[in-house]
Amino acid sequence: GQQVMQIPQYQHVQEGEDFTTYCNSSTTLSNIQWYKQRPGGHPVFLIQLVKSGEVKKQKRLTFQFGEAKKNSSLHITATQTTDVGTYFCAAPGSGTYKYIFGTGTRLKVLA
Amino acid sequence: NAGVTQTPKFRVLKTGQSMTLLCAQDMNHEYMYWYRQDPGMGLRLIHYSVGEGTTAKGEVPDGYNVSRLKKQNFLLGLESAAPSQTSVYFCASSYKGRGDTQYFGPGTRLTVL
Repeated sequence: GQQVMQIPQYQHVQEGEDFTTYCNSSTTLSNIQWYKQRPGGHPVFLIQLVKSGEVKKQKRLTFQFGEAKKNSSLHITATQTTDVGTYFCAAPGSGTYKYIFGTGTRLKVLA
Repeated sequence: NAGVTQTPKFRVLKTGQSMTLLCAQDMNHEYMYWYRQDPGMGLRLIHYSVGEGTTAKGEVPDGYNVSRLKKQNFLLGLESAAPSQTSVYFCASSYKGRGDTQYFGPGTRLTVL
């Protein structure tokens, strides 16, 4: 079945360092979503990418959708302690109304 | 606007007991979802609904049942709880299906002894 792989599983960075998480699909995607979950909280929608090669920015966060629409990345510049949490990508399940979530990347920022 | 709410927030069950988790949304969304979250496993879809009176199976439906009698409510039932169902359960809703933002509830932490 369709799989969405996300790497790395964990990342510890010093405050001020950059961070990147990658999401890879076994199939071509129509779109991809990114969510953030703070420790003890629930997933919160960040962004959706639709077009091949699309790049979107939200302050220090940069989201990219691959040219082949099979992969995506989230890059955080100069991490802050408020960036702590788990970042998930979510891709549409083939032929259905549902989304398949990646396993997530847990980010820890050391002050 | 409360968004998506879940009841209860915490629950401890003994093996074999039953319970119902309630999800309610006040955003007039058509689509509702139940996920479970386990360490290292991400979010896995249990069941979902594309409208009032409809339900469908997700990735891990065994041991669970659902009902969507009213558009704003989505119930998740465990008929005979097992320790493997210890997890955090999240409900989510969206206005449309694919291509739309999912709004998540705060979660229910369930422990089955």
